[in-house]
Amino acid sequence: DTGVSQDPRHKITKRGQNVTFRCDPISEHNRLYWYRQTLGQGPEFLTYFQNEAQLEKSRLLSDRFSAERPKGSFSTLEIQRTEQGDSAMYLCASSLGQQTLSTDTQYFGPGTRLTVL
Amino acid sequence: AQSVTQPDIHITVSEGASLELRCNYSYGATPYLFWYVQSPGQGLQLLLKYFSGDTLVQGIKGFEAEFKRSQSSFNLRKPSVHWSDAAEYFCAVVTNAGKSTFGDGTTLTVKP
Repeated sequence: DTGVSQDPRHKITKRGQNVTFRCDPISEHNRLYWYRQTLGQGPEFLTYFQNEAQLEKSRLLSDRFSAERPKGSFSTLEIQRTEQGDSAMYLCASSLGQQTLSTDTQYFGPGTRLTVL
Repeated sequence: AQSVTQPDIHITVSEGASLELRCNYSYGATPYLFWYVQSPGQGLQLLLKYFSGDTLVQGIKGFEAEFKRSQSSFNLRKPSVHWSDAAEYFCAVVTNAGKSTFGDGTTLTVKP
């Protein structure tokens, strides 16, 4: 399977702990995106990378959130001092990056479900 | 700012019946429109997309959608629903700057 993969699939943590999620995009996809999806809502954009450069961050991405894509391949999303409101599904997507941002088809991973107790 | 409304939170149809899922968007310029499907525990899968040209677009799994600028709508249709179509469906609009906004989804239940 050469789709987008995410690890772990599920994470349960206590409030105040730090967590890190990993996303492996489809090989040779230059763009990588992070979204957050809470129950009963659609995905909300968090941030995206063009290769290793983080080009846009949503205001939803508070100071406790940081994302990296150091070598332009896999990406990590870290949440520090987790709060119960951080409980959500965190989705990663990647796209080829050869078209405009608007028309570039995004392929989504299965997500990481975070539960903060 | 752009927005997407999916008026139906939950729809139930019988297997073999036709389906229409509604999507209304708000965006000042020409929108780029997408429909995705999400099965439990899975990521989103692209069903179809509209950028320009023919306003009736065909997608995978027998789905189609029609862009109606005058109504700011992009409704998803399927002539005959299969039990495997039960899932959550999301409509999304993407701006010229590449910003994606999703609706809150419609959950489809298929009755045998």
